[in-house]
Amino acid sequence: EDQVTQSPEALRLQEGESSSLNCSYTVSGLRGLFWYRQDPGKGPEFLFTLYSAGEEKEKERLKATLTKKESFLHITAPKPEDSATYLCAVQDSGGSNYKLTFGKGTLLTVNP
Amino acid sequence: GAGVSQSPSNKVTEKGKDVELRCDPISGHTALYWYRQRLGQGLEFLIYFQGNSAPDKSGLPSDRFSAERTGESVSTLTIQRTQQEDSAVYLCASTPSSQETQYFGPGTRLLVL
Repeated sequence: EDQVTQSPEALRLQEGESSSLNCSYTVSGLRGLFWYRQDPGKGPEFLFTLYSAGEEKEKERLKATLTKKESFLHITAPKPEDSATYLCAVQDSGGSNYKLTFGKGTLLTVNP
Repeated sequence: GAGVSQSPSNKVTEKGKDVELRCDPISGHTALYWYRQRLGQGLEFLIYFQGNSAPDKSGLPSDRFSAERTGESVSTLTIQRTQQEDSAVYLCASTPSSQETQYFGPGTRLLVL
């Protein structure tokens, strides 16, 4: 059974204070690892897909990396508008290769 | 273009009543998914549609839950005889095909009193 564990559960940063969120996963075969951002009262917003170990993707202050066991979402010089819950999900390459298995998320708060 | 839409955005109901939740996918998206997000929990997969057939209903929590889809368009998730543990956010997502990035709607927040 696919499993995703995100840490920390909550992270509070000062504006400009860089940090990383972790997503550890167990899957029989990885088709893709997804990062989403979720604001209160809204649905998840797609950020990145990573497909193979060593892959990196960037978008503004966010950079996602992938190894065979985990993914990191690095946030450089965050701003208050980066405050949200960040969700990690995996899609396996087997018979259930259409559904996502999600972690519980990391609640990020960036104080001005 | 228009994204995934869901209605109602909020629903309060009494225990034992039936509710219907609606999802309008992005136009042209053949695959549609329902997930449930309970407080403090990760999103849980409920059901997947490819066109109007549902190859995987394995995530539906009980026989009180059912879903249907009309063609490659609207889907309805029905919960019969609601229970308090059904209180959650129900999210719908769609993709052009089954293995592409899933784009989510805003969700329906269901509260069962």
